[in-house]
Amino acid sequence: KQEVTQIPAALSVPEGENLVLNCSFTDSAIYNLQWFRQDPGKGLTSLLLIQSSQREQTSGRLNASLDKSSGRSTLYIAASQPGDSATYLCAVRPGLTGGGNKLTFGTGTQLKVEL
Amino acid sequence: KAGVTQTPRYLIKTRGQQVTLSCSPISGHRSVSWYQQTPGQGLQFLFEYFSETQRNKGNFPGRFSGRQFSNSRSEMNVSTLELGDSALYLCASSFFDRPDYGYTFGSGTRLTVV
Repeated sequence: KQEVTQIPAALSVPEGENLVLNCSFTDSAIYNLQWFRQDPGKGLTSLLLIQSSQREQTSGRLNASLDKSSGRSTLYIAASQPGDSATYLCAVRPGLTGGGNKLTFGTGTQLKVEL
Repeated sequence: KAGVTQTPRYLIKTRGQQVTLSCSPISGHRSVSWYQQTPGQGLQFLFEYFSETQRNKGNFPGRFSGRQFSNSRSEMNVSTLELGDSALYLCASSFFDRPDYGYTFGSGTRLTVV
């Protein structure tokens, strides 16, 4: 059974700092990994999707890396801003041989960027 | 283009009642998945529908059911509501046969059972 863990559970940083969020998964047979952002009481906003054959994806100040063999992904946020404050979730999609299209989500990292 | 639309945004129901939630996927997406989010359990997969057929089911009791219509819109139903069903219910749409595509989520329906 796939298990996804995110460390740290919560993080508070001053504005402008670069930071790294971690995501680890137990079963490396994944098709892809998706990072989401969730504001309080809201739905999920997709940030980056990284395929199992890729090493990294970038969008603006965000960079996600994937090391499938070690079961790890990181989300790097450059020059953090107060507007980045949210909960960040990673989710893995299983490979074609098992699990269908069900996403398994991590526990999330609650980020607060302070002025 | 329009995103994933979930209605209603908020619901308050009494224990024992039943509830129906609706999800309209992005145009062209024919796969709709449902997730339950609670503070204690996080995000958990409920079921996935494609071509009006349930393709995958999570580990939830039979009180949770769903369906999909020919226009890909989906509804989920929870019967005999319990206090523990209070949660944010999220719907996601995608291409069923394009696993490389990723999911788009709606804003969710916040269900409170009293």
